[in-house]
Amino acid sequence: DTEVTQTPKHLVMGMTNKKSLKCEQHMGHRAMYWYKQKAKKPPELMFVYSYEKLSINESVPSRFSPECPNSSLLNLHLHALQPEDSALYLCASSQGVWRAVMDTGELFFGEGSRLTVL
Amino acid sequence: GNSVTQMEGPVTLSEEAFLTINCTYTATGYPSLFWYVQYPGEGLQLLLKATKADDKGSNKGFEATYRKETTSFHLEKGSVQVSDSAVYFCALSKPLTGNQFYFGTGTSLTVIP
Repeated sequence: DTEVTQTPKHLVMGMTNKKSLKCEQHMGHRAMYWYKQKAKKPPELMFVYSYEKLSINESVPSRFSPECPNSSLLNLHLHALQPEDSALYLCASSQGVWRAVMDTGELFFGEGSRLTVL
Repeated sequence: GNSVTQMEGPVTLSEEAFLTINCTYTATGYPSLFWYVQYPGEGLQLLLKATKADDKGSNKGFEATYRKETTSFHLEKGSVQVSDSAVYFCALSKPLTGNQFYFGTGTSLTVIP
């Protein structure tokens, strides 16, 4: 299984709603990532979890709250979002076994969750 | 610091034309290099990769060679198809030093029949 699965694929929410994006991988990867992507732009890193601990938070507003319940799952909780938060949210994973020769650092991406904030 | 510089787009080619998308990088040590492709409405897929100097990555008729002397990883395809229309991202990672992954700005390719 070399897939990263994201749900839902599409989400429309109002500015007062609370919703969550979910991501799952079963490749035994120890690093998981959330990226935000606007159309035809490169993904922008939001959060990195390494061995289920938050290791990088790229100064993301607190209305985005990540959670890593276990090594296979990653959630992104959304609350009080703004219209400018509308984007494609991508989850990714990598081996994350630092100093392991076999780890090329390749990122495996999900299909993304397309979020529209009204 | 580490960075990737990628050819600006958009690029429009006729079917069966030759494609080159330039990518150069700045990095200390020995990064791994990648090309990712994003088809309309989809996530990013790995197209090819190379993990050491002079390695050639290839997939679906695309090729790129890791050139340490010119710090380049240019993407080429001899004959593009309409189905190759997508956005292409060059990227590098520093796998032995933590979660460091760097993307280029992306190049949008449209292939017309």
